[in-house]
Amino acid sequence: NAGVTQTPKFQVLKTGQSMTLQCAQDMNHEYMSWYRQDPGMGLRLIHYSVGAGITDQGEVPNGYNVSRSTTEDFPLRLLSAAPSQTSVYFCASSYSPLAGGSYNEQFFGPGTRLTVL
Amino acid sequence: SQQGEEDPQALSIQEGENATMNCSYKTSINNLQWYRQNSGRGLVHLILIRSNEREKHSGRLRVTLDTSKKSSSLLITASRAADTASYFCAVANAGGTSYGKLTFGQGTILTVHP
Repeated sequence: NAGVTQTPKFQVLKTGQSMTLQCAQDMNHEYMSWYRQDPGMGLRLIHYSVGAGITDQGEVPNGYNVSRSTTEDFPLRLLSAAPSQTSVYFCASSYSPLAGGSYNEQFFGPGTRLTVL
Repeated sequence: SQQGEEDPQALSIQEGENATMNCSYKTSINNLQWYRQNSGRGLVHLILIRSNEREKHSGRLRVTLDTSKKSSSLLITASRAADTASYFCAVANAGGTSYGKLTFGQGTILTVHP
């Protein structure tokens, strides 16, 4: 199992450019999520998905779009990059929190370090 | 608002000593989880404690949960230099529209000196 993979590892964008951060998992997890990590802020939830075709907003969704067409993939799109989106982005997955009524550990990818100039 | 808040922000100890990190939260939880992050890496799950549990052990890790005080602590015994990392608590909210969402604290940076 590759677990959770993210590409690219590093990216530099200019203000106004768009791009897609890729995330894939091979564990057949229903639940996937995107976080951003900024110094002194911990991790903040951007968007999440409880299954293919279902997405919802997290704590800081503005400026980001997601879609979930398959169980395996959960791409994050930056529509028009801004310097405030400079951050490290982590994708995570887990078994559905609805399964058995309990919540599960999340498996994290290695992260994408994004700089917006 | 941030659910998990951690204390201390940084902790520096010698190898062989114990390290204790604390986490406080504000609302009802389903469970509380602890994660470790080595520099430049993703987070790795350490341990999960459910709201009806008071204490849990995993190797050199001991986690306690006090729902009346809305707090948890992570104890690492006999620390090693390899334990140097950032440690995060994450709160899974109870029910409502918060299914599956984890809210992370700001983390404790642990440095273990050889």
